[in-house]
Amino acid sequence: DAMVIQNPRYQVTQFGKPVTLSCSQTLNHNVMYWYQQKSSQAPKLLFHYYDKDFNNEADTPDNFQSRRPNTSFCFLDIRSPGLGDAAMYLCATSRDGGSSSTDTQYFGPGTRLTVL
Amino acid sequence: KQEVTQIPAALSVPEGENLVLNCSFTDSAIYNLQWFRQDPGKGLTSLLLIQSSQREQTSGRLNASLDKSSGRSTLYIAASQPGDSATYLCAVNERYDYKLSFGAGTTVTVRA
Repeated sequence: DAMVIQNPRYQVTQFGKPVTLSCSQTLNHNVMYWYQQKSSQAPKLLFHYYDKDFNNEADTPDNFQSRRPNTSFCFLDIRSPGLGDAAMYLCATSRDGGSSSTDTQYFGPGTRLTVL
Repeated sequence: KQEVTQIPAALSVPEGENLVLNCSFTDSAIYNLQWFRQDPGKGLTSLLLIQSSQREQTSGRLNASLDKSSGRSTLYIAASQPGDSATYLCAVNERYDYKLSFGAGTTVTVRA
């Protein structure tokens, strides 16, 4: 049973054309995360939501925005994609964001974004 | 700022050999450390989680150790199989922090 679902799995967009990536979860977890992962690099956290509380990383470009309309869904909006934004985008969830020492993150399969 | 390093970046072994993957981190004030597996073009799957009070954790052929004072963790995979070929990432969770700090991973190839 899929627990963290990302759509689409592959997205091709043109330079400067806005794109939205989708993530949904069936775990009813409080925290949802968006990571960017480029080839052979560590996943880089862009932002996370604890419930409706939005937390942006200091070095996340303004070009990246996020919405969480309800517990189950979270969206990543890239307002004007550049060539450097081509990457795998990973969504993850956790029950309580690490406040318990046994809490882990559950990842979706990712969306591969190509910018032409 | 926490820095997580995994060396080597890639490893190739014949089937049946034991695998030893290393992870080091700069700040020992961690809450837990996790090992993840990532198959090409896929998301991450959690393998093992070691709490800061633990020294090791085992699951089947996998064993992970943690030495918090020296900032090191090691993942052992016994009797490797071609299906173990993947990238293995470690990540640390710092106390009262909602985010994981990841290493770049070690890409393992097990040759049949």
